[in-house]
This record gives sequence, structure tokens and C-alpha cells, in this order.
Amino acid sequence: AQKITQTQPGMFVQEKEAVTLDCTYDTSDPSYGLFWYKQPSSGEMIFLIYQGSYDQQNATEGRYSLNFQKARKSANLVISASQLGDSAMYFCAMRENLRLGANSKLTFGKGITLSVRP
Amino acid sequence: DAGVIQSPRHEVTEMGQEVTLRCKPISGHNSLFWYRQTMMRGLELLIYFNNNVPIDDSGMPEDRFSAKMPNASFSTLKIQPSEPRDSAVYFCASSMGLAGGPTQYFGPGTRLLVL
Repeated sequence: AQKITQTQPGMFVQEKEAVTLDCTYDTSDPSYGLFWYKQPSSGEMIFLIYQGSYDQQNATEGRYSLNFQKARKSANLVISASQLGDSAMYFCAMRENLRLGANSKLTFGKGITLSVRP
Repeated sequence: DAGVIQSPRHEVTEMGQEVTLRCKPISGHNSLFWYRQTMMRGLELLIYFNNNVPIDDSGMPEDRFSAKMPNASFSTLKIQPSEPRDSAVYFCASSMGLAGGPTQYFGPGTRLLVL
């Protein structure tokens, strides 16, 4: 089974509107972290936001917020007030085994392409 | 602060040649990860180091790939001999470890084309 699922086709949003990018995950580890990265056409991977499995509140970073629904195993990214520069590929990723002193790899979804229309 | 530095940014080589990719992690980070991105397989981990020691190399495709981390500020990924199917973007990422947060920060990537 896939650990990270991003099934939306290419997404379009009007400038200044909000958009939600979906992500579901699968793990039996109680201690994990969820991440969103942005990859613009230039190719770099830019960290956007992080949510830990034990965090009580949804993470927010500026215009980015993470709608974390643990029981449903979903971690959707919400971008408010979209800008033209938000056009990019967005990847959801998970890091399991998030215990103190342990390090582990990121498992990525296939990504979602977002296009912001002027 | 400088981010993760990778070199070269672009590499074009012929099949059979040796390719060496280089990475300098963020100062103070004790974990380093090598990922590969292709259209077919997406982003996948090749190997990662913790305190310069390789921890998980299960993603390394085959013996043609090798990675080293001789010190805390430098790592290499070598492909010898290279093949066209190795063409991809190779990312290096570093992390401070859980004491400083679990986030991995990526370098700009090396775009490799093997002809």
C-alpha cells in the first residue's frame, strides 16, 4: 500500500482565492511527521510546513495551513490568498519513527500541480 | 545562513563514464540524505547518513552507486559506470535531527543526463 497518496489531478485556482491540496497517509507508527514541500519549475524543493502526529493544533506558516485529521489519516494543505508565484508542484511527505534520537527517510507522494490563474 | 550546497548543478556525460555528485550540508546538521527524482518513480531515498555513518542504503540501485561522507561537511555520491537510466535529478538534504526539529532541507539538486 502506498504510504502517501495524492490523487488530485492538476489543480487550478484564481489568484487571491484559497485552495486545498489533498494528502492521505498510511502508517501504524504512532510517532510520525507530515511535511509539505513546494517544487517550482526551477526545480528546487522548498519546505513549507510541518505537522507532528502528537501536535494538538493544526500547523500554520503564513499563508499555509495544514488541515490535520488524524482519525482520517489526512493532512491537507490549505493555501490562502493564492499568488501567481504559488504555481508549482506540491509534495506531501511523511517521516515515520519520529522518536527522539532516531532519524528516518521522507516518503513522498507523487505530487500535485497547482496553477494559479490571474 | 547558507543552505545545502550541491555541485555540479548540471552534468551531461556519456554512458560508461564515472559521475561524482557533491554535497555540503547545512552547518550543524548531523543527518544527510541523498534522494533521486525521476518522472517514473518520483522522489526516492537512495541513502542517508547520521553523524557521518551510513544508516540506510537500501535505496541504492546497485553496486554502480556508492556514497561517502568523510566528514560532517561533505558527502559524495558516485556512479561508476553511468548508464542512461541513471538520468535524473539528484537531491541532497540535511537535517538537524530531532533535537532541532525533524525537517529536511534540500539542496538545489544536480540534473544528470547520461547519453
